[in-house]
Amino acid sequence: QEKVQQSPESLIVPEGAMVSLNCSFSDSASQSIWWYQQHPGKGPKALISIFSNGNKKEGRLTVYLNRASLHVSLHIKDSQPSDSAVYLCAVSINNNNAPRFGAGTKLSVKP
Amino acid sequence: DMKVTQMPRYLIKRMGENVLLECGQDMSHETMYWYRQDPGLGLQLIYISYDVDSNSEGDIPKGYRVSRKKREHFSLILDSAKTNQTSVYFCASSLSYEQYFGPGTRLTVL
Repeated sequence: QEKVQQSPESLIVPEGAMVSLNCSFSDSASQSIWWYQQHPGKGPKALISIFSNGNKKEGRLTVYLNRASLHVSLHIKDSQPSDSAVYLCAVSINNNNAPRFGAGTKLSVKP
Repeated sequence: DMKVTQMPRYLIKRMGENVLLECGQDMSHETMYWYRQDPGLGLQLIYISYDVDSNSEGDIPKGYRVSRKKREHFSLILDSAKTNQTSVYFCASSLSYEQYFGPGTRLTVL
């Protein structure tokens, strides 16, 4: 069973700051890593995914994957108060294997 | 618009009562999931369903069972609910790797 750990548990930053969230996983055979955003009282919503070693950029989001170190990070550029949410890292071994989630990082962006 | 619905949104039950949580999706996704979310523990997988009547246990299936008789509908049943099953329950569906989540059901077992 895939083990997924996220750090930090919580983070408070001023508006406009660069945010870095970390996720480590246990199985180097993991095929896909997804980041989800969850606002209070809502279900998680997919933000960005990565399948290959390296990085991927979408708008203000950049994700970096290093399979050798079993580590993936999410960076949010120019953070906004609307980015305040819990960010969940989800890792899947293959398409038939349910994703396993980390406990999440709670991000607060202060105006 | 792709949508996953859950009913009810809030539920209070007494210990020993039976609980039925329902989930629907309008995307004809084959795979559906039930998770529970507790503070500090993230989302824990209870059951996964690959299609009608094709269900597998997740990581914490004890005390739960599921039913999927139509592709668009997936139910979670708690027979004789326990206080430690108080949690927020999320249903999700997926076509490939991306999951689509419902809004959750907050269950309190007294």
